[in-house]
Amino acid sequence: EIVLTQSPGTLSLSPGERATLSCRASQSFSSSYLAWYQQKPGQAPRLLIYGASSRATGIPDRFSGSGSGTDFTLTISRLEPEDFAVYYCQQYGSSPYTFGQGTKLEIK
Amino acid sequence: EVQLVESGGGLVQPGGSLRLSCAASGFTFSYYSMNWVRQAPGKGLEWVSYIGTSSDNIYYADSVKGRFTVSRDNAKNSLYLQVNNLRDEDTAVYYCARATGSGRLPFDIWGQGTMVTVSS
Repeated sequence: EIVLTQSPGTLSLSPGERATLSCRASQSFSSSYLAWYQQKPGQAPRLLIYGASSRATGIPDRFSGSGSGTDFTLTISRLEPEDFAVYYCQQYGSSPYTFGQGTKLEIK
Repeated sequence: EVQLVESGGGLVQPGGSLRLSCAASGFTFSYYSMNWVRQAPGKGLEWVSYIGTSSDNIYYADSVKGRFTVSRDNAKNSLYLQVNNLRDEDTAVYYCARATGSGRLPFDIWGQGTMVTVSS
């Protein structure tokens, strides 16, 4: 099983700032199978990034993903008020399709 | 409108069973692999199960293997999760989620979830 560890657990930033979220895997896997999701309270998750760096349909270009092997990053270039949420990384290349434990992005 | 709607959740005693359903609309259901993902109260996401387009490939998380059974009926545009021998730790919101196609793909459409509470 591939274990994904996200850091930090909580990130406190202000609107307009840059956010960098990390996802580290217990073993290397193809970046083709790494996704990022956003979840707001009381809502289902929303797909942001797939294949480590491709934005899903309708996702603003302030969201970008990068990385390979065991280290992946989600960057939000300039935070908007609606970006404060919980973010999860996920690998879907091999069963079980594991999620990271999440990073909560909160307003400072 | 592309939509997934779950149903079948509720309060059940430990050791009990439920059948969760997910009704799909707005897309050709048979073309897409499907998944179940759950989220315990205040916790993160946990992938539960995957089923391929023709039920050819099925996978489960170790935590539910032998107790949960995923199935689909492409003629009825529906996904199911039979959950047996429920434990306290199975208490969660259960989401169905569509993969972006057939195979190992990310989850682009999610339902609103159905709550399963296991308690005596």
